[in-house]
Amino acid sequence: DTGVSQNPRHKITKRGQNVTFRCDPISEHNRLYWYRQTLGQGPEFLTYFQNEAQLEKSRLLSDRFSAERPKGSFSTLEIQRTEQGDSAMYLCASSLGDPAAGELFFGEGSRLTVL
Amino acid sequence: AQSVTQPDIHITVSEGASLELRCNYSYGATPYLFWYVQSPGQGLQLLLKYFSGDTLVQGIKGFEAEFKRSQSSFNLRKPSVHWSDAAEYFCAVGARGYGNKLVFGAGTILRVKS
Repeated sequence: DTGVSQNPRHKITKRGQNVTFRCDPISEHNRLYWYRQTLGQGPEFLTYFQNEAQLEKSRLLSDRFSAERPKGSFSTLEIQRTEQGDSAMYLCASSLGDPAAGELFFGEGSRLTVL
Repeated sequence: AQSVTQPDIHITVSEGASLELRCNYSYGATPYLFWYVQSPGQGLQLLLKYFSGDTLVQGIKGFEAEFKRSQSSFNLRKPSVHWSDAAEYFCAVGARGYGNKLVFGAGTILRVKS
């Protein structure tokens, strides 16, 4: 068990560029979550996958954001035409089953800075 | 709407002193409650969780929390704080099948002075 892995850990980009983050969950976990955390705030839910199916999306996830989990293993979060307001820590988490009944394991996050 | 309130943004305690971090929630369903800790450069780590049963739950690192339904609270406590406890603490609430997500509070930053 190597834990939840996220790459890159830091990304600095210019406004208008596209960025992609990758998350590798704990191998046997079927559920994968993306959260966003801004300074002084707790994590906010963005989207959730069960296996390869994206089952829920927050209204925070504008049409510039897209997430995939093509084979039910790793996931990518792409942000198109980045804006300064997208600067945040993007957290990935995984669980085996319902996290309300079990435990949600978090990665260390990918920090995005949009200049 | 579901919400979690952590009234204290910062708390400073002396090493060896007792600690209580406050958490109040508003949730439409029977809640499951969690406390997570986040150290700089680290991922969120689960300290403890409450689902049902005994309202006083024990967690890792000597932490405990008490669920009080009448007060909609789930306060985190530790009898004697260590310098390594300095971190940010998040309270979170969820419910089985209720959106499949956790709602987090804004966090409380704990500083420990020697």
